[in-house]
Amino acid sequence: EIVMTQSPATLSVSPGERATLSCRASQSVGSNLAWYQQKPGQAPRLLISGASTRATGIPARFSGSGSGTEFTLTISSLQSEDFAVYYCQQYNNWPPWTFGQGTKVEIK
Amino acid sequence: QLQLQESGPGLVKPSETLSLTCTVSGGSISSSSYYWGWIRQPPGKGLEWIGSIYNSGSTYYNPSLKSRVTISGDTSKNQFSLELDSVTAADTAVYYCARVPPGSSHYFDYWGQGTLVTVSS
Repeated sequence: EIVMTQSPATLSVSPGERATLSCRASQSVGSNLAWYQQKPGQAPRLLISGASTRATGIPARFSGSGSGTEFTLTISSLQSEDFAVYYCQQYNNWPPWTFGQGTKVEIK
Repeated sequence: QLQLQESGPGLVKPSETLSLTCTVSGGSISSSSYYWGWIRQPPGKGLEWIGSIYNSGSTYYNPSLKSRVTISGDTSKNQFSLELDSVTAADTAVYYCARVPPGSSHYFDYWGQGTLVTVSS
């Protein structure tokens, strides 16, 4: 099973600042990496697939990069609606498909 | 617009079977293009893929749950279902159904709102 490790667990950022979230895979997943955003009481929302392709309707301030075992989600200028928990998921090796434990982005 | 909606009991007794249904609208589960999956999230914790079904027949399960999980589809009702046997308190979670987009990439682009299932006597 591929283990996905996200860091940091919590990221404190001021509105308008840049946020950089990391996701590391225990073995290579190529570019088969997705990012999700989850707000309290809501289902996860797909942000990024293929490590860097934004899903439909996702603002350009969200960008993904990386391949192999190291991935980054960058939010260029945090808006109030971006404070949430973010999860990465690998879909290169199964079973099972696996998620990271999440990074909470909170207001500084 | 594709919509998914989970339904089922919110409380299940230990050792019994958890049964949930996902009703899909705005799309067909019998389409050969899509997988449909179940994912769960214990309170305050992360996400765990439970399993997926393809073309209302082929199923794929998380090895950690495989001995207790059955996913099935009902094309006449445009629904797919989850059964989890012999539940314990560790199975308490919000259960989501979701769609995998066309192609070989198994991520989830549409999600239901989720339903909380508590395992307790």
